[in-house]
Amino acid sequence: QVQLQQSGPGLVKPSETLSLICTVSGGSIGGYYWNWIRQSAGKGLEWIGRIYISGTTHSNPSLKSRVTMSVDTSKSQFSLKLNFVTAADTATYYCARDRSGYFYYAMDVWGQGTTVTVSS
Amino acid sequence: EIVLTQSPGTLSLSPGERATLSCRASQSVDRSDLAWYQHKPGQAPRVLIYDTSSRATDIPDRFSGSGSGTDFTLTISRLEPEDFAVYYCQHYGDSPPTFTFGPGTKVDIK
Repeated sequence: QVQLQQSGPGLVKPSETLSLICTVSGGSIGGYYWNWIRQSAGKGLEWIGRIYISGTTHSNPSLKSRVTMSVDTSKSQFSLKLNFVTAADTATYYCARDRSGYFYYAMDVWGQGTTVTVSS
Repeated sequence: EIVLTQSPGTLSLSPGERATLSCRASQSVDRSDLAWYQHKPGQAPRVLIYDTSSRATDIPDRFSGSGSGTDFTLTISRLEPEDFAVYYCQHYGDSPPTFTFGPGTKVDIK
């Protein structure tokens, strides 16, 4: 079965770039959209954006100007970069698969989560 | 932009009781675009229901979803100890493609 393994630093300095990678195993990276979602302490889930293997991306308008997503099919990986971070970006970040290309408009496989703290 | 509201914010119940969670959309949405997740501390969210009423893989049949238009419901027929968690509804919009989550309902032990 498909599994997602997240990697990346847990501490980022203010104004710098948060970078996370999600590695897909046990299945193909092709044919699905790959998402990033975050949850700040005491708050709900916030969708950040998603990418397809073609490189097509869709982003939350509130974060779009600071978000870059990419995919490396040779490594079965996709990544998130969030620029100019502040303390408000401190959160647990998740990667997840959605099956909207198959009329299943939900995220059915999730990574384990990475807690990222923005602090000097 | 669709805004989702969930009620109640917290639901205090005992094991064996029935839980009814509400999700309201700011405008009418397609049934196919509505999903529910369970989220426990320290774990990733887990999809329970998609397409308003379809159970995801390996989800017990005590979880059921219903609704249409702007009002949707997640029902847990008999709460098990492992069901105490936060539950989120989620909408998928396709113009442009966007996922939106509700603020969540916490189901805790009474």
